[in-house]
Amino acid sequence: GQQLNQSPQSMFIQEGEDVSMNCTSSSIFNTWLWYKQDPGEGPVLLIALYKAGELTSNGRLTAQFGITRKDSFLNISASIPSDVGIYFCAGQLDRDDKIIFGKGTRLHILP
Amino acid sequence: GAGVSQSPRYKVAKRGQDVALRCDPISGHVSLFWYQQALGQGPEFLTYFQNEAQLDKSGLPSDRFFAERPEGSVSTLKIQRTQQEDSAVYLCASSGLVSGTDTQYFGPGTRLTVL
Repeated sequence: GQQLNQSPQSMFIQEGEDVSMNCTSSSIFNTWLWYKQDPGEGPVLLIALYKAGELTSNGRLTAQFGITRKDSFLNISASIPSDVGIYFCAGQLDRDDKIIFGKGTRLHILP
Repeated sequence: GAGVSQSPRYKVAKRGQDVALRCDPISGHVSLFWYQQALGQGPEFLTYFQNEAQLDKSGLPSDRFFAERPEGSVSTLKIQRTQQEDSAVYLCASSGLVSGTDTQYFGPGTRLTVL
């Protein structure tokens, strides 16, 4: 089945630093998604990307849908303490289809 | 309600017991998904309903897993004769493509621990 390789697995950064994480797939997706999950909660959608090459921002977050349809990245600028959590990349073949998730990037912010 | 709700939030079962997990989707949402999230992993798809029809159950790991949504709203995921490997967080998500949005909104999950 389709698999997503997400990196890095974890990150330790200072508050105020920029963060970059990425995701690659063994096959094509038509939609790329980035979710954040806090402890004890379900994933919350941060950004959805629907077109190859698309670059989308949501506040301090920016994500891009790779031209090959097999990769995506997420950048977070000027990190703040509430950015701590697990970030998942995810893909869909079709709208309203099941979501295939990566294994997550755990973001830690050092005091 | 305002969001997807799931109950119970935590369930401890002895190996061999049957369990039933409930999902209340966002009102009016046509699509409902169940996912299983093992510790330290991303969620993995189990099954999908459109209204009351179960259109995809390819992710159910064994015939001990059964899901239903008889009236096209509330859904129940049932696991029979639970095993230790069933321990995980079970997430429910709903979306309303027919009503114009296909974003899947997730509930908080049910954490199942099988002893």
